[in-house]
Amino acid sequence: LAKTTQPISMDSYEGQEVNITCSHNNIATNDYITWYQQFPSQGPRFIIQGYKTKVTNEVASLFIPADRKSSTLSLPRVSLSDTAVYYCLAPRGRALTFGSGTRLQVQP
Amino acid sequence: DARVTQTPRHKVTEMGQEVTMRCQPILGHNTVFWYRQTMMQGLELLAYFRNRAPLDDSGMPKDRFSAEMPDATLATLKIQPSEPRDSAVYFCASGSKDRYEQYFGPGTRLTVT
Repeated sequence: LAKTTQPISMDSYEGQEVNITCSHNNIATNDYITWYQQFPSQGPRFIIQGYKTKVTNEVASLFIPADRKSSTLSLPRVSLSDTAVYYCLAPRGRALTFGSGTRLQVQP
Repeated sequence: DARVTQTPRHKVTEMGQEVTMRCQPILGHNTVFWYRQTMMQGLELLAYFRNRAPLDDSGMPKDRFSAEMPDATLATLKIQPSEPRDSAVYFCASGSKDRYEQYFGPGTRLTVT
């Protein structure tokens, strides 16, 4: 069964860059890595996905090393509204297993 | 702005009662997922469908849970009989491109007493 590991929590200040790493050492060869953001009382929201190297969109960047056993979500210049739980999703075959989530707290 | 809708948003019921949760995926999406979220277990995939056919329901307790897609605009998750340990938030999500980019609904908060 696919297993992902993330830090339980992280703290940051407004304007800083935040990097959250997820370990997924048994991801399937053909599967993508995806990250989601969840606010209280809401469903998770898709942020970004990637297969290897680096992917960037208007919200975040995703770094995936060549061995694909981990991935790092990078949030540039966070604001208070980025306070949320961040999940990585790294499937293995049919198993779609979300990580336990990283609770990011952004302070003023 | 297309969204996944779920009904009801909140449900309180007594142990042993049947519970039905409904989901309307985003129009045009052909993949539907059901998840359960609790503090202890986090987000767990219960089942998912593609083009209305079940692809994986290995995460679902078969003796009491059932999931169906009567048509492309409706997915249902049924629990019969419900138990207190089923108390959780149940999310439906839909997608069109692949399994990875999923759009979640607001969830149904179920409390079984």
